[in-house]
Amino acid sequence: AQTVTQSQPEMSVQEAETVTLSCTYDTSESDYYLFWYKQPPSRQMILVIRQEAYKQQNATENRFSVNFQKAAKSFSLKISDSQLGDAAMYFCAYRSPLPAYKYIFGTGTRLKVLA
Amino acid sequence: GAVVSQHPSWVICKSGTSVKIECRSLDFQATTMFWYRQFPKQSLMLMATSNEGSKATYEQGVEKDKFLINHASLTLSTLTVTSAHPEDSSFYICSAATPVETQYFGPGTRLLVL
Repeated sequence: AQTVTQSQPEMSVQEAETVTLSCTYDTSESDYYLFWYKQPPSRQMILVIRQEAYKQQNATENRFSVNFQKAAKSFSLKISDSQLGDAAMYFCAYRSPLPAYKYIFGTGTRLKVLA
Repeated sequence: GAVVSQHPSWVICKSGTSVKIECRSLDFQATTMFWYRQFPKQSLMLMATSNEGSKATYEQGVEKDKFLINHASLTLSTLTVTSAHPEDSSFYICSAATPVETQYFGPGTRLLVL
């Protein structure tokens, strides 16, 4: 069975600094997707970034980038130039391959941004 | 990104009654919709996967007769919590997806069973 592990329940970062959130996963599949989602206090889930497992290049979206290590089954999220609006719960998620795909979430990391 | 609506956003009901939650994808046709449950300060737990025109696939431990899911069209899925009890109180989130896209989430429904 696939599992997703986020070992950091809570992280803090100073405004404008950089922080890295960790995520590891376990799967026997070779074709899958990985995601980072943000859940602010409104509880609306927001996609931050996604990575296709077949792509060696790490995904980037503005201030957000990932370090995808397929062999190590590691998928960390780096947030650069942290802003107060980045404060939220961050969930790492794994999407299994087609056809019967589904998403499995990690336990989440609460990110606090200090002014 | 795509827009997914969920209705109602808040519902309070008496124990023993049934509650229906609607999930609509407003600007795309979703071949698959997912239903999640989230307890306070916890992660999203997948309850079931719903494909248009077919029976939902429930995760282990989720009671099919308690949580009825219908996916009648490519834009609408419903979750009915039957004979609700206080332990069913939770935050329910739906998402709409296609195989080539990520899932897009609804804003969630807070259910409180008294």
